[in-house]
Amino acid sequence: GAGVSQSPSNKVTEKGKDVELRCDPISGHTALYWYRQSLGQGLEFLIYFQGNSAPDKSGLPSDRFSAERTGGSVSTLTIQRTQQEDSAVYLCASSLVSGRASEQFFGPGTRLTVL
Amino acid sequence: AQSVAQPEDQVNVAEGNPLTVKCTYSVSGNPYLFWYVQYPNRGLQFLLKYITGDNLVKGSYGFEAEFNKSQTSFHLKKPSALVSDSALYFCAVRDRNAGNMLTFGGGTRLMVKP
Repeated sequence: GAGVSQSPSNKVTEKGKDVELRCDPISGHTALYWYRQSLGQGLEFLIYFQGNSAPDKSGLPSDRFSAERTGGSVSTLTIQRTQQEDSAVYLCASSLVSGRASEQFFGPGTRLTVL
Repeated sequence: AQSVAQPEDQVNVAEGNPLTVKCTYSVSGNPYLFWYVQYPNRGLQFLLKYITGDNLVKGSYGFEAEFNKSQTSFHLKKPSALVSDSALYFCAVRDRNAGNMLTFGGGTRLMVKP
């Protein structure tokens, strides 16, 4: 597959449980981004990786959210003690380089529902 | 701080007619500007971007956008709409000189009717 892939496509969990969302970027893309798309809220930036480091974590909404990237490839977004307001579509994107003019390629997203 | 405004939640147009989806932005420096399209249950697809140079940018599927610095706008246009263009469109901005965050507008739903 040539595009960004995300798993699972859908996740339903109970309030208070932890969840892990996975992103496989396009091969060779050095930059990786996580966004959250909530109904009525548009797209919200969460975190950005250049290689395995995260120089910009400014968008993480609380300390329950964390993310890591290993091998300059796969990234995992973890939400601990989920709350109902965490329900959203979580989108991952990658770009070939981290330059500000580079377009980002998005995955299909993970729809998270917290009951 | 940077921001993007898409003033119309929905735009309705008849097939074959020209379409415009509006976008205005605010950045402290000079902008990089992007348009993305989202089809149902799919991720965002890149349409076009403005970096520098010619103010009229041409992109995928016959779409184009015009950068207007004085009006801080980057409206998306297409001369003749197709029913298959119906989707959710997002404008996004990035400051050339600060940060890596791409800031998106709230999105505009385009409905093209046969």
